[in-house]
Amino acid sequence: EVQLVESGGGLVQPGGSLRLSCAASGFTFSSHWMTWVRQAPGKGLEWVANIKQDGSEKYYVDSVKGRFTISRDNAKNSLYLQMNSLGAEDTAVYYCARDQYCDIWGQGTMVTVSS
Amino acid sequence: QSVLTQPPSVSAAPGQKVTISCSGSSSNIGNNYVSWYQQLPGTAPKLLMYENNKRPSGIPDRFSGSKSGTSATLGITGLQTGDEADYYCGTWDSSLSAGLFGGGTKLTVL
Repeated sequence: EVQLVESGGGLVQPGGSLRLSCAASGFTFSSHWMTWVRQAPGKGLEWVANIKQDGSEKYYVDSVKGRFTISRDNAKNSLYLQMNSLGAEDTAVYYCARDQYCDIWGQGTMVTVSS
Repeated sequence: QSVLTQPPSVSAAPGQKVTISCSGSSSNIGNNYVSWYQQLPGTAPKLLMYENNKRPSGIPDRFSGSKSGTSATLGITGLQTGDEADYYCGTWDSSLSAGLFGGGTKLTVL
């Protein structure tokens, strides 16, 4: 079964850091672009970042540039999102998704930034 | 405010047809493929349409997609109460070098 499982979410203070992980299974992870998408409570979807199969290309939404870093470990079939300098505006459910058109989604992990 | 514009809500009766529009510009919809997603309450989004008008395996042909210029449309026929959800369009923006989602449209099946 093709599956994506996010982990690493939680409560963090403003200015803090968090690292999200996404474990992939059921498909050849190294053959696909991967994407992070977030959704603030009661709001719509926001594209966050994506990364090419070999990690050679990475793209970010302007609001996270310089603060978030997307990476992957193809040997571990895992995708990561390192989030630094977190603010209240980063509070959201974070989803990982397969490919640039997001054909497979994980269940999401909640990140809450609050003091 | 989203770069891709969708109506906040649409509604129709069971069995009827509804369309959801997604308006953008030449840097996004005009020169890139459009995808559509369905998000049922409390669940992760699900891909409904990709490359403007292609349905993934398992998506019924009641769902259709089209694109013309800088706008795209999702059509749903034979509406069912189970279709009540939020629907999002998505695409790439070549100027921003970033992905985009529309603001979402809430479908109510009356």
